[in-house]
Amino acid sequence: AQTVTQSQPEMSVQEAETVTLSCTYDTSENNYYLFWYKQPPSRQMILVIRQEAYKQQNATENRFSVNFQKAAKSFSLKISDSQLGDTAMYFCAFMSASVRAGKSTFGDGTTLTVKP
Amino acid sequence: GAVVSQHPSWVICKSGTSVKIECRSLDFQATTMFWYRQFPKQSLMLMATSNEGSKATYEQGVEKDKFLINHASLTLSTLTVTSAHPEDSSFYICSASTDSSYEQYFGPGTRLTVT
Repeated sequence: AQTVTQSQPEMSVQEAETVTLSCTYDTSENNYYLFWYKQPPSRQMILVIRQEAYKQQNATENRFSVNFQKAAKSFSLKISDSQLGDTAMYFCAFMSASVRAGKSTFGDGTTLTVKP
Repeated sequence: GAVVSQHPSWVICKSGTSVKIECRSLDFQATTMFWYRQFPKQSLMLMATSNEGSKATYEQGVEKDKFLINHASLTLSTLTVTSAHPEDSSFYICSASTDSSYEQYFGPGTRLTVT
């Protein structure tokens, strides 16, 4: 079974600065997908970024980028130029590519507070 | 695209009654839907996976008779909490997937309060 570990329960960052959220995972599979989701106070889950394991290039989405280290099974999220609206709980998730529409395994989450 | 709705967004019910939560994919056909439960400041806990026209697959420890899941069509899944008790109070989230995607699309969630 896969496991996802987020070792930082809470983090804070000053507005406009950069913050990195950590995520490690454990799997014996070679093909899989990794995700970062944002859950703001509204509690709507929002996909931030997705990484396909077979792609070596790190995914980026505007101010959000990942550092994907497959051998180390590490998948960190970097948020640049942090904004107050980035305040949310962030979840790292793993999904096997062996089954379409398969279930995801979520980490425990990191609560990020962006301070003005 | 890929919008998932949930209804109701918030429900209060008395202990011993049943309550039904609907999850709809509005602009796509969902071959698979997932039901999660989330406590404040905690992660999502998968309760069950449902495929259209099939019985739901429940995670270990989830009572099948208490949490009834029906996936009647490719756009609708329902979760019925039967004989609700205060400890069932929680935030319930559904998500939907298609066979052509490795992505889950989440509903906005339903807050259930049992008094």
